[in-house]
Amino acid sequence: GAVVSQHPSWVICKSGTSVKIECRSLDFQATTMFWYRQFPKQSLMLMATSNEGSKATYEQGVEKDKFLINHASLTLSTLTVTSAHPEDSSFYICSASRLAGNTDTQYFGPGTRLTVL
Amino acid sequence: DQQVKQNSPSLSVQEGRISILNCDYTNSMFDYFLWYKKYPAEGPTFLISISSIKDKNEDGRFTVFLNKSAKHLSLHIVPSQPGDSAVYFCAASVSGAGSYQLTFGKGTKLSVIP
Repeated sequence: GAVVSQHPSWVICKSGTSVKIECRSLDFQATTMFWYRQFPKQSLMLMATSNEGSKATYEQGVEKDKFLINHASLTLSTLTVTSAHPEDSSFYICSASRLAGNTDTQYFGPGTRLTVL
Repeated sequence: DQQVKQNSPSLSVQEGRISILNCDYTNSMFDYFLWYKKYPAEGPTFLISISSIKDKNEDGRFTVFLNKSAKHLSLHIVPSQPGDSAVYFCAASVSGAGSYQLTFGKGTKLSVIP
């Protein structure tokens, strides 16, 4: 149990285009999903927290108009990188919170490698 | 200010021996701790967690120890296997904060030598 999928697993796009990444919790409902970005040889950087049916909460320094997050259902959150530029090239990972009793554990998707030419 | 620290960027261990990965935290509000394992170009995989009401949690070859007074936790892997070679992230959260955001350490790269 606790499987999270991401699609696509990798994408190459031209500068100026928009890219949508989907994150799905396959076998549980996730009220909260998170989007992370990982740079080479660095830790995960939280970009935003997404709650179903409400606006995402963005971390300081993350442009909300550039990284659009939609959490339309308890099993799906999407991240759209708008007008992508080469500096947006990175590894994007989502996670979904699964609450069991009093404890909450985040389960991660496999990640999406974005390359902007 | 880094609230979760993994001071060893890398660790090499012989196959069959014990691997000990350490993690320190500074925020006394953290009360739930997790360890994740990550291979390159993949998302982290949840390994084991511990609540602050416990000082030890065991799951197969993995044991996590928590020393609240020292704000220190460690992950023990016994016996270590080559397949355990990966980057291990320590993460912490505050229960009841609503979003259960995780604060990650920078990771420790474990290499298990056959």
